[in-house]
Amino acid sequence: AQSVAQPEDQVNVAEGNPLTVKCTYSVSGNPYLFWYVQYPNRGLQFLLKYITGDNLVKGSYGFEAEFNKSQTSFHLKKPSALVSDSALYFCAVRDQAGTALIFGKGTTLSVSS
Amino acid sequence: DTGVSQDPRHKITKRGQNVTFRCDPISEHNRLYWYRQTLGQGPEFLTYFQNEAQLEKSRLLSDRFSAERPKGSFSTLEIQRTEQGDSAMYLCASPGATDTQYFGPGTRLTVL
Repeated sequence: AQSVAQPEDQVNVAEGNPLTVKCTYSVSGNPYLFWYVQYPNRGLQFLLKYITGDNLVKGSYGFEAEFNKSQTSFHLKKPSALVSDSALYFCAVRDQAGTALIFGKGTTLSVSS
Repeated sequence: DTGVSQDPRHKITKRGQNVTFRCDPISEHNRLYWYRQTLGQGPEFLTYFQNEAQLEKSRLLSDRFSAERPKGSFSTLEIQRTEQGDSAMYLCASPGATDTQYFGPGTRLTVL
């Protein structure tokens, strides 16, 4: 069965410092991996995805993620955090044959000034 | 703005009442998904349409839930005889040819 784990409920980082939000997955075959961000009382906004190709994927708002097949991970990163990055972040996966996304429980990112 | 709209944004109802939500996807996208998100959890898949055909349903979609997409454009999700456990955010997603699912703002349901 497909699954996604986000091992940290909350990540705290100071503004200007690099940030990492962790995600590991389990899927049969090649994974399609996604990161979304959710602000309070809002829907999910797409940040980036990995389907194939380069392991380092660049996305919106300066975020990037690194696909690591051997570690089955897809960690979200940003070199310099902003206070406005504070939000709830979701990692999601599906396999090539699937249609629906399987989401992790989410990680709350808090960036302090 | 993703181009996916949902109505209403908030719905408060009493237990036992029926409710209906609407989703208007991005116009040229023929696939449409419904998800449910409860507090502290990620979204969970409910059902999926390709044009007007409902192709997949999750085990979460009990017989009190019904979804339609009559003309392959907008979709409705109805919950009959609501229960307090139905309180959640209901999200609609519209994916394009690039496999990226774009989500609407959601309908937050509160069952009293």
